[in-house]
Amino acid sequence: EAGVTQFPSHSVIEKGQTVTLRCDPISGHDNLYWYRRVMGKEIKFLLHFVKESKQDESGMPNNRFLAERTGGTYSTLKVQPAELEDSGVYFCASSQFGIRETQYFGPGTRLLVL
Amino acid sequence: ELKVEQNPLFLSMQEGKNYTIYCNYSTTSDRLYWYRQDPGKSLESLFVLLSNGAVKQEGRLMASLDTKARLSTLHITAAVHDLSATYFCAGIGGSQGNLIFGKGTKLSVKP
Repeated sequence: EAGVTQFPSHSVIEKGQTVTLRCDPISGHDNLYWYRRVMGKEIKFLLHFVKESKQDESGMPNNRFLAERTGGTYSTLKVQPAELEDSGVYFCASSQFGIRETQYFGPGTRLLVL
Repeated sequence: ELKVEQNPLFLSMQEGKNYTIYCNYSTTSDRLYWYRQDPGKSLESLFVLLSNGAVKQEGRLMASLDTKARLSTLHITAAVHDLSATYFCAGIGGSQGNLIFGKGTKLSVKP
């Protein structure tokens, strides 16, 4: 069974540009989470989808971040325009049924904004 | 809101030695997770602890949970180089299951 995959693995962009990160969860997993780790800090929750619906986006830092999950399959996280403080590692995780199931993480996308 | 504190943040061990990583959390969390991350890789789930007094073991790693003390420990027995990684503990932070993580413990096992 394929795990959670994320694309790209690395992205280097300039301040003001747009970047779109993609996450493909484990097939059949309804729950999809985005997290972010800024250097030296904790991994922090961004938002949670159940299928195509956003259940909780309380962790989204501001309106420059837009997440979608079309058709309840893969998800994208767009940052527009990117700022220096957006640099970090963006993780995606998925779980199958209930919200208290173990979450399986992807390898992350390392974003550097210059 | 749940807060999770791990210590130490960095741990350099010699092979064959024992050590414990501590994870304190501030409010009730109905489960506690331990994850391992190798550089550039995914977070791999190691243990999920569900109740007070829970103890789980896998190889040289043993995790325990004391809900009254709001403390979980990850004990490493007779460390080997392959255990070098970053270890995270996490609790359930919200009604939708989002995880609240500690800062992670970067473990380096030296021969």
